[in-house]
Amino acid sequence: GENVEQHPSTLSVQEGDSAVIKCTYSDSASNYFPWYKQELGKRPQLIIDIRSNVGEKKDQRIAVTLNKTAKHFSLHITETQPEDSAVYFCAAGETSYDKVIFGPGTSLSVIP
Amino acid sequence: DTGVSQDPRHKITKRGQNVTFRCDPISEHNRLYWYRQTLGQGPEFLTYFQNEAQLEKSRLLSDRFSAERPKGSFSTLEIQRTEQGDSAMYLCASSPGMGGKETQYFGPGTRLLVL
Repeated sequence: GENVEQHPSTLSVQEGDSAVIKCTYSDSASNYFPWYKQELGKRPQLIIDIRSNVGEKKDQRIAVTLNKTAKHFSLHITETQPEDSAVYFCAAGETSYDKVIFGPGTSLSVIP
Repeated sequence: DTGVSQDPRHKITKRGQNVTFRCDPISEHNRLYWYRQTLGQGPEFLTYFQNEAQLEKSRLLSDRFSAERPKGSFSTLEIQRTEQGDSAMYLCASSPGMGGKETQYFGPGTRLLVL
């Protein structure tokens, strides 16, 4: 069945360092890969997404890479700040308007 | 507030009772999704709609769960004969629908506790 794995489950970095979260997916029909940030007690919020027709996308301090052949995609956060501390979820779906399957999440802590 | 709204925000019920949750999507969003999230886990897909049509229901979803979107606007999720394992955050999301490039926007969720 459809499955998304995510590593690491927890990540602690010093403020200003980079953070990398990696995901793999099983469904070869997946073409849409969003990343969500969820702060404690709040709803998931989209921070960036990538579609299978591109290999990389960047938005300020956040970048995502996709290797569709290997079914891997990653989130890179540079120059981390304490407000980046949250749980991050990767997800995969056929399109942006189909269901998405979420990974189990990565709890990121940025230490001032 | 023009975002996705959910009601109630919190619900405490006793095992065996029925509960119903409501979701109001962003105006003119054709697709509406229900997910369930337990502590420390990612949201788990339950079901989704295109207007009033239910497109898919998770195979993992018990027959005690039913969802409707009768007029293609708001949706309800009903859980019959609740069990303690149903305790979770129930998240609703909406998106513009087919052909759109926009993603799903989540509501604040309904937190259910079954005693």
